[in-house]
Amino acid sequence: TQLLEQSPQFLSIQEGENLTVYCNSSSVFSSLQWYRQEPGEGPVLLVTVVTGGEVKKLKRLTFQFGDARKDSSLHITAAQPGDTGLYLCAGGRTGNQFYFGTGTSLTVIP
Amino acid sequence: NAGVTQTPKFQVLKTGQSMTLQCAQDMNHEYMSWYRQDPGMGLRLIHYSVGAGITDQGEVPNGYNVSRSTTEDFPLRLLSAAPSQTSVYFCASSLHPRRDIQYFGAGTRLSVL
Repeated sequence: TQLLEQSPQFLSIQEGENLTVYCNSSSVFSSLQWYRQEPGEGPVLLVTVVTGGEVKKLKRLTFQFGDARKDSSLHITAAQPGDTGLYLCAGGRTGNQFYFGTGTSLTVIP
Repeated sequence: NAGVTQTPKFQVLKTGQSMTLQCAQDMNHEYMSWYRQDPGMGLRLIHYSVGAGITDQGEVPNGYNVSRSTTEDFPLRLLSAAPSQTSVYFCASSLHPRRDIQYFGAGTRLSVL
């Protein structure tokens, strides 16, 4: 069982639509990161959130860390084909281990 | 800027063979880690290191060994490869594991027949 569960696992939408990806856990995390991964490459960090309730915006992407620091969401406004990729959340806990979510594969159709 | 370099990019092994996946970083990062990525399971931590001479187990360490003799290098060894180890392996490094950016290599795609 993964510590971080993402939903949906797959998402296919038309260009211009909005979408939200969820990252949920029953555990508390000291920080939460979101990565995007393209085929044949390693994940690339998009954002880090560390405070419960924190909201960060990166152009058309909005990231939120839950008040209890157990969950997070990624909202994309007016999706573009360049947003296509695998989105991964990852959480840090006490100690030096870092846990990744199950991933959400997004396809934006032109 | 080299960042994190992994070699080889692709490898095919027969069951029972051994091999070493290489990982090197040139950013003077203390923290390095190895992950495996399987469909529907995201990335799972195999082993990690907080500095030269210090290693520890992650979520899925069985069948893998690591060592950290220098800050730059963190090789992952498969002692006796099994089909269950067919996966994509990623090495990552960062200044701090929970606060800072983790930089990933491009991955090694391993098939065990």
